[in-house]
Amino acid sequence: AQSVTQLGSHVSVSEGALVLLRCNYSSSVPPYLFWYVQYPNQGLQLLLKYTSAATLVKGINGFEAEFKKSETSFHLTKPSAHMSDAAEYFCAVSDIVTGGGNKLTFGTGTQLKVEL
Amino acid sequence: GAVVSQHPSRVICKSGTSVKIECRSLDFQATTMFWYRQFPKQSLMLMATSNEGSKATYEQGVEKDKFLINHASLTLSTLTVTSAHPEDSSFYICSARDGGVMGNEQFFGPGTRLTVL
Repeated sequence: AQSVTQLGSHVSVSEGALVLLRCNYSSSVPPYLFWYVQYPNQGLQLLLKYTSAATLVKGINGFEAEFKKSETSFHLTKPSAHMSDAAEYFCAVSDIVTGGGNKLTFGTGTQLKVEL
Repeated sequence: GAVVSQHPSRVICKSGTSVKIECRSLDFQATTMFWYRQFPKQSLMLMATSNEGSKATYEQGVEKDKFLINHASLTLSTLTVTSAHPEDSSFYICSARDGGVMGNEQFFGPGTRLTVL
């Protein structure tokens, strides 16, 4: 069974400050890991994904995440927050399975607030 | 590319009626589609997985007779909430996956807000 834990349901940063959203995973097999962003009343947009290649993954909008197997972590960072980054962020895990399936298991989400 | 649409975006219905939500992959063939439910301020919970031309696989605790899923073509899946009740009010999100060129990534629709009065 897979699971994802997102520490901190709410994170508040000042505009221009570092963004750090934490995600720890549990998986019995090598995982695929994802970060998604959701704006109010909208679906999910993929920010970035780890699929067993480079451990440092760069995504859209200046976000990046580092896969650390020893820490079972996949924290999301952005050097400088922008007001438009305010949204809900979800970390998700999927097992590396070919063919059908590949169900995503989501964390509980982190609401990012960006203040002036 | 990789656009998924949902219709309607919002629906309000009376208790006891049935509501159909459509999920379409606009520019790719979706061999697998997923239906999620999201309660306010909560995460997405997978309801079911549907593969084109076969019966959907429901997650534990999801009533298959209440949430009817049909994946009749490679670009369309429908979720029908039968005899809806206020507790079915939620945000329903679909995603679609093409296991070919685009690999195993799921592309999400914009969601449907269901309110049952």
